[in-house]
Amino acid sequence: NAGVTQTPKFRVLKTGQSMTLLCAQDMNHEYMYWYRQDPGMGLRLIHYSVGEGTTAKGEVPDGYNVSRLKKQNFLLGLESAAPSQTSVYFCASSSILNTEAFFGQGTRLTVV
Amino acid sequence: KNQVEQSPQSLIILEGKNCTLQCNYTVSPFSNLRWYKQDTGRGPVSLTIMTFSENTKSNGRYTATLDADTKQSSLHITASQLSDSASYICVVSALAGGYNKLIFGAGTRLAVHP
Repeated sequence: NAGVTQTPKFRVLKTGQSMTLLCAQDMNHEYMYWYRQDPGMGLRLIHYSVGEGTTAKGEVPDGYNVSRLKKQNFLLGLESAAPSQTSVYFCASSSILNTEAFFGQGTRLTVV
Repeated sequence: KNQVEQSPQSLIILEGKNCTLQCNYTVSPFSNLRWYKQDTGRGPVSLTIMTFSENTKSNGRYTATLDADTKQSSLHITASQLSDSASYICVVSALAGGYNKLIFGAGTRLAVHP
């Protein structure tokens, strides 16, 4: 049981480039989330999804888009990367009862 | 505004010693409170979860307490080990739009030295 898997683990982008981060979960969870973690700050919610085909904005959604075409996958896209998007990105999933969120290993993104 | 504040920001202790981490929150409506452990370069992993009616919960050498009246929680680590070196994150859930919104503290970075 892999849990929550994120790809890639590391990436360096130039300003203006685009990329997609992939999150996959094998726990049949309804809810999936994308967070970013910056030094000295708590994890901040970017976007989330409460089910296949549905997405919603979180606390810091600007500059990001998401898609949940399949229940097990949640994609995070950066349309035009900016240095302010340098961060560690975590994907998480939880059951519909939402008793615990399970996190992926994180993606360290650097935008130069 | 929903907020979770943790103290201290960082802590260094010697192996075998005990320590207590603090979490204060202003979250409404409160659903539950969790403590997560995050090792360097890894995702957070849940240690304990407590609802409004629970005052204390243990998970091995980790004991969490919750005072819903003062909106405070603590995580006590007994007989610390080198492997306890990590960030400990307090996460409070608020019911919002039919699902539990997670509000994260900034974490306490614990270093256990031999």
